Amino acid sequence: DGGITQSPKYLFRKEGQNVTLSCEQNLNHDAMYWYRQDPGQGLRLIYYSQIVNDFQKGDIAEGYSVSREKKESFPLTVTSAQKNPTAFYLCASSMGTSGANVLTFGAGSRLTVL
Amino acid sequence: KNQVEQSPQSLIILEGKNCTLQCNYTVSPFSNLRWYKQDTGRGPVSLTIMTFSENTKSNGRYTATLDADTKQSSLHITASQLSDSASYICVVSAGSSNTGKLIFGQGTTLQVKP
Repeated sequence: DGGITQSPKYLFRKEGQNVTLSCEQNLNHDAMYWYRQDPGQGLRLIYYSQIVNDFQKGDIAEGYSVSREKKESFPLTVTSAQKNPTAFYLCASSMGTSGANVLTFGAGSRLTVL
Repeated sequence: KNQVEQSPQSLIILEGKNCTLQCNYTVSPFSNLRWYKQDTGRGPVSLTIMTFSENTKSNGRYTATLDADTKQSSLHITASQLSDSASYICVVSAGSSNTGKLIFGQGTTLQVKP
């Protein structure tokens, strides 16, 4: 059953801590993305990767970092430099990055800063 | 500035009734327009995708329309069911070079009551 798996679903972080959100896909997609969703706002792009060992900043990359060591995996680290990290984080993938490609999303990870 | 605006922000209807959600966009150059359904606490799932030349597309009880001249789209839901309760997100793709240019609306939250 192909899809995208995000973990953990819920995560609590103390201020000053880094946390890493996992995203794994078995769709054989080349492109992967991280979005942030806040209430009343549209999804905002954090980082995306078109190919292994390469990634690009999105609109709100400050305070976040990513890696793409394997095609299937695209973990997101929320660092202590991110001043307002409480949000719902969505990972997505697509065959390519042209405008015609449809994104497949994971179920999301909700991060709460205590 | 590329923008996607959705209305209404929220909507409550009775089971079995029809409803129409609106999406206005100012995105250039336009590539395609997508509607996604997002259940609470889950990732968005694609309903339809329309290119410039398409003005209507159906997916079961969901029918999307696109007027590229007025830059408006609508999503019509027929004979609503309780399972239609979700957030509906309009997404416009700007150009064809990079899916990172997806512009997301803030969503319309639909609640279907028995």
